[in-house]
Amino acid sequence: AQSVTQLGSHVSVSEGALVLLRCNYSSSVPPYLFWYVQYPNQGLQLLLKYTSAATLVKGINGFEAEFKKSETSFHLTKPSAHMSDAAEYFCAVRPGTYKYIFGTGTRLKVLA
Amino acid sequence: GAGVSQTPSNKVTEKGKYVELRCDPISGHTALYWYRQSLGQGPEFLIYFQGTGAADDSGLPNDRFFAVRPEGSVSTLKIQRTERGDSAVYLCASSYYSGGSTDTQYFGPGTRLTVL
Repeated sequence: AQSVTQLGSHVSVSEGALVLLRCNYSSSVPPYLFWYVQYPNQGLQLLLKYTSAATLVKGINGFEAEFKKSETSFHLTKPSAHMSDAAEYFCAVRPGTYKYIFGTGTRLKVLA
Repeated sequence: GAGVSQTPSNKVTEKGKYVELRCDPISGHTALYWYRQSLGQGPEFLIYFQGTGAADDSGLPNDRFFAVRPEGSVSTLKIQRTERGDSAVYLCASSYYSGGSTDTQYFGPGTRLTVL
């Protein structure tokens, strides 16, 4: 069965520091991969997606993620954290044509 | 343009009652999805509509849950004889077309259901 594992339910970084949120997937077929962000009392907002066109994917708000097939990973990074990045981040895989399978989420805290 | 909207934003009900949750997708989106997000978890798939028909309802937990989309736009998720374990945030998403490599699901803000 396909699944997504997000290591670290809570991550804290200092403002200006590197953000690294980890996501590993299992899929029997080449997947589509997504990162979503959820701010308090808001819906999920798409940050970026991997659709096999390029392994390094750039998204909104300075985030990017790299697809590494050999490691079955799709980690999310941002060079310099901003206070406004504090939110919950979800990695998702779409192994087929429509159903998303989400990880359990990582709550990012940015320290001043 | 307007995004996916869901009403109500919050719903408190008593155990055993019936509830309806509404989703208005983005105009022109043919595909619509319901997910359930329990506390501390990621969203879990419930049901997928393509047009008016439920193409996949394999995520509905039991027969107390039912969803309709009679005109291919607005959808209603219906829960009968609610139980405390049904308490969660119910998310709706829509997309223009399901299955393409560029297809992306856009999510609404969710309805927080609390069953007392």
